[in-house]
Amino acid sequence: AQSVTQLGSHVSVSEGALVLLRCNYSSSVPPYLFWYVQYPNQGLQLLLKYTSAATLVKGINGFEAEFKKSETSFHLTKPSAHMSDAAEYFCAVSDRGGGSQGNLIFGKGTKLSVKP
Amino acid sequence: EPEVTQTPSHQVTQMGQEVILRCVPISNHLYFYWYRQILGQKVEFLVSFYNNEISEKSEIFDDQFSVERPDGSNFTLKIRSTKLEDSAMYFCASSIRTDTGELFFGEGSRLTVL
Repeated sequence: AQSVTQLGSHVSVSEGALVLLRCNYSSSVPPYLFWYVQYPNQGLQLLLKYTSAATLVKGINGFEAEFKKSETSFHLTKPSAHMSDAAEYFCAVSDRGGGSQGNLIFGKGTKLSVKP
Repeated sequence: EPEVTQTPSHQVTQMGQEVILRCVPISNHLYFYWYRQILGQKVEFLVSFYNNEISEKSEIFDDQFSVERPDGSNFTLKIRSTKLEDSAMYFCASSIRTDTGELFFGEGSRLTVL
């Protein structure tokens, strides 16, 4: 069965600093992996996804994530944090893996705070 | 930009009461979902719906839960007799297809059961 672990429920960075949000997955089949973001009082929005093409995936708002099979990781990064990045970030894996999306299995989320 | 809308944004109910959470998915989407997030816990899959029937449901989605698409636009989640542990944020989502991985989520409906 697929699962996702997000290390750190809360990450705080200074504006302009590197953002690194960690996600490790467990999957018995080649996974589809996703990062969603939830801004305050809004729904979940897809940031980026990995679907077995390029291992470095670029998303919206300058975020990117690298799929590392050997480490079973899909960490989310952004070189320079902006105040508007403050939100909760969810890593998710498809419960099918491989060719069809199936249903999403989410991590517990990481709340990102950005200090001026 | 088209979006998924949910009502109500917050509902408080007494244990044992019936609750209906409403969702209007994006108009050309074909697949519909309900997820929930109990405070401090993971977002969990409840049910998916396609072609006017449930395509998959989780263990959480027991006989107290039902979904319906009563007309061409609404997608509802009914909890027949609410329990304290049903208190959560319920998210509706829709997608145009299942292989892209992109679900479009609503803002959520917070249910508080007293």
